[in-house]
Amino acid sequence: EVQLLESGGGLVQPGGSLRLSCAASGFTFSNYAMSWVRQAPGKGLEWVSALSVPGNIYYADSVRGRFTISRDNSKNTLYLQMNSLRAEDTAVYYCTKEAIGAVSFENWGQGTLVTVSS
Amino acid sequence: QSALTQPASVSGSPGQSITISCTGTSSDVGSYTLVSWYQQHPGKAPKVMIYEVTKRPSGVSNRFSGSKSGNTVSLTISGLQPEDEADYYCCSYAGSRNWLFGGGTKLTVL
Repeated sequence: EVQLLESGGGLVQPGGSLRLSCAASGFTFSNYAMSWVRQAPGKGLEWVSALSVPGNIYYADSVRGRFTISRDNSKNTLYLQMNSLRAEDTAVYYCTKEAIGAVSFENWGQGTLVTVSS
Repeated sequence: QSALTQPASVSGSPGQSITISCTGTSSDVGSYTLVSWYQQHPGKAPKVMIYEVTKRPSGVSNRFSGSKSGNTVSLTISGLQPEDEADYYCCSYAGSRNWLFGGGTKLTVL
């Protein structure tokens, strides 16, 4: 059974940093592209960043230059380093496993809440 | 890039059919078949219900179906059941490994 377990969320002041982790199990982690998707309180879903199997990295315009996605295949873990955080980054951050061929986000974690506030 | 356009809410009675539309542009929905639909119950993570416009993942009821016409995709749920009450989001590939979601539609089963 595929499991994705996010951690690292919490309360941070504007301008601060936070690193999210996503521990993956139940599949061969290194064989799949992974993405982060977020959801602001009471709002819709927003794709944040993707990391392909060969290591290509992609970001939404809203986070480019501030967020860094990475993975450690030896630890089956996906990361999201978030710097220069803003109030509008407040959201539940979901770790997702992309289906082969990028046809969908086929598995989701339970999410971790990041709150940016003074 | 702007979010895809979905109606804020739809409703239907048990046993009825409903359709949720999702409109994009020629740069996203109109250019790719990589469109998926997600169901989200309150406080839960989203779940993929349709991928590649019309395909259902294993385990998803055949009451859920998808279609596309031009820059608009649609999700149809037939034989509405109380457990179908949830938020639904469309999502389209938008090129350069970017993804666009719709604003979400709240489905109420009356």
